[in-house]
Amino acid sequence: GQNIDQPTEMTATEGAIVQINCTYQTSGFNGLFWYQQHAGEAPTFLSYNVLDGLEEKGRFSSFLSRSKGYSYLLLKELQMKDSASYLCALSDSNYQLIWGAGTKLIIKP
Amino acid sequence: IAGITQAPTSQILAAGRRMTLRCTQDMRHNAMYWYRQDLGLGLRLIHYSNTAGTTGKGEVPDGYSVSRANTDDFPLTLASAVPSQTSVYFCASSEQQGEGGELFFGEGSRLTVL
Repeated sequence: GQNIDQPTEMTATEGAIVQINCTYQTSGFNGLFWYQQHAGEAPTFLSYNVLDGLEEKGRFSSFLSRSKGYSYLLLKELQMKDSASYLCALSDSNYQLIWGAGTKLIIKP
Repeated sequence: IAGITQAPTSQILAAGRRMTLRCTQDMRHNAMYWYRQDLGLGLRLIHYSNTAGTTGKGEVPDGYSVSRANTDDFPLTLASAVPSQTSVYFCASSEQQGEGGELFFGEGSRLTVL
């Protein structure tokens, strides 16, 4: 079967760094996505990893290890506007997305 | 601004009533999707369409139907609403279903079935 796990909630301080982990089990894999969702809004695309390694995009970076079934999203220089839920989703063998329940990130001043 | 438009944004519905959620995109994307989002659960795929004229069932299709008569429109119909269909519904699109295909989401339709 397929399964995705990510922490339900995390708290971090403005200006700091936070790492949001995502672990998965799947029989077929075609990449891993991260989306950001502010409360009451639609999810928006952050990153896509299909090969092992780190993809950096401004203050946000995403890492993938296919052999370990593990990804993380790294947010640097946290800002209050980064308070949101972060959704991990894997693309299965049929290119359908399987979504994690999301990690609610709370940023404190 | 190009994107996806959903309607209505919010609706309260009596159980047993029929309801259609509308979704229109102007990006000429081939693939479109309907998800429901419930507290504590990930987005769950209801139905999808890889191209106009074709549809497929997702993870939770029971009680829902869709049609894709043209590229732009992808309505979701609840034939006879039940309280368990209370949820936030998101329509999404991508250029095509495939590797690395970023999804673009509508703003969501909050449906309450009493």
